[in-house]
Amino acid sequence: ETGVTQTPRHLVMGMTNKKSLKCEQHLGHNAMYWYKQSAKKPLELMFVYNFKEQTENNSVPSRFSPECPNSSHLFLHLHTLQPEDSALYLCASSQETGANSEAFFGQGTRLTVV
Amino acid sequence: DQQVKQNSPSLSVQEGRISILNCDYTNSMFDYFLWYKKYPAEGPTFLISISSIKDKNEDGRFTVFLNKSAKHLSLHIVPSQPGDSAVYFCAARESGSARQLTFGSGTQLTVLP
Repeated sequence: ETGVTQTPRHLVMGMTNKKSLKCEQHLGHNAMYWYKQSAKKPLELMFVYNFKEQTENNSVPSRFSPECPNSSHLFLHLHTLQPEDSALYLCASSQETGANSEAFFGQGTRLTVV
Repeated sequence: DQQVKQNSPSLSVQEGRISILNCDYTNSMFDYFLWYKKYPAEGPTFLISISSIKDKNEDGRFTVFLNKSAKHLSLHIVPSQPGDSAVYFCAARESGSARQLTFGSGTQLTVLP
């Protein structure tokens, strides 16, 4: 049990589909993140939410739309994706206080766009 | 341009020997460094970290060394065990309000029995 749960674990979608990825954290953290991991590449930060407010959007295309209804839940809404968007999407959370803290990751959603 | 680089995509080590994973960074504003371990089909799990005010941090079989002048850090695992076989990611965080992590591309460690 990592404390950060992502669903679904695997998703195959067509380029015209709309789907959503869900993330839930049970750690009482106040910051949540979406990362993308493509093969042989570093994890790429997509979005940051701090106290439910989006504080970072790293030039992510608008076909990815995040939603953070509360500090425990984070969604990534997907529409009209491209095959190159196929990747592992990881959610993470951390406690953003004055001290350094590590981020805890979920198990990821393996997304395939066909 | 990658700010955190792991130049070795893979490393093989015999069980019982030392594994040394290396990481270089370019951003002098980084002040906190972390190592994550990732098994297939799982998310990364935190392993060990080090603040820039230190040059060494040890936790059991894992030791992280930081050389700020060279902008280099390394993870030592001794003795290596087959269960340590995984992808190891180096990550760094800037000082100040930006709290997100910048990751390297990872090193696949294989510990041979």
